Amino acid sequence: KAGVTQTPRYLIKTRGQQVTLSCSPISGHRSVSWYQQTPGQGLQFLFEYFSETQRNKGNFPGRFSGRQFSNSRSEMNVSTLELGDSALYLCASSFQGFGTEAFFGQGTRLTVV
Amino acid sequence: GENVEQHPSTLSVQEGDSAVIKCTYSDSASNYFPWYKQELGKGPQLIIDIRSNVGEKKDQRIAVTLNKTAKHFSLHITETQPEDSAVYFCAASISDSGGYNKLIFGAGTRLAVHP
Repeated sequence: KAGVTQTPRYLIKTRGQQVTLSCSPISGHRSVSWYQQTPGQGLQFLFEYFSETQRNKGNFPGRFSGRQFSNSRSEMNVSTLELGDSALYLCASSFQGFGTEAFFGQGTRLTVV
Repeated sequence: GENVEQHPSTLSVQEGDSAVIKCTYSDSASNYFPWYKQELGKGPQLIIDIRSNVGEKKDQRIAVTLNKTAKHFSLHITETQPEDSAVYFCAASISDSGGYNKLIFGAGTRLAVHP
């Protein structure tokens, strides 16, 4: 079956703009989690959505938000972009959430200039 | 606090040798420990995982061991091959106050296997 699909793969945005990233989980998976990956900070948890509800959140400012649709697809939004938001954004899908196998997409490489 | 420490940060071995990566975690309630392999330009790939009720798990050339008392777990790769070269991440699941899990990742180990 198809894996986790993230779009777009690459994005270049200007400081102050906002951006929306998309993640389509593996069919049948109801949990989608988002991570930010940077060379300095590694993989940092942003939030998790399960059946359209955010049930877990990391330590990121309110500029980072997300949502999940009834088909389990998820979007992540970052408003008022800062240079430090440049990173690889990864989503992971799992059947029931962490504690069960989680599979990552290829990520969206966001560059803020 | 939530913390997973991973060592070493870089590891260089000759093809055919074994490689061992070690992680320690801080939350004694953690009960799920996956390992991921990330190749350049790709997302992390789940390669093996272990749950807290098991001490060791093997899958062909890779194995993971867990010591709950000491709160550490290790990845063992035997008969390494050049295609094993990648960054490896350990992770531990922790529960928040609502009872839902999240994964805390180690900083990663860059493994280089030289022919």
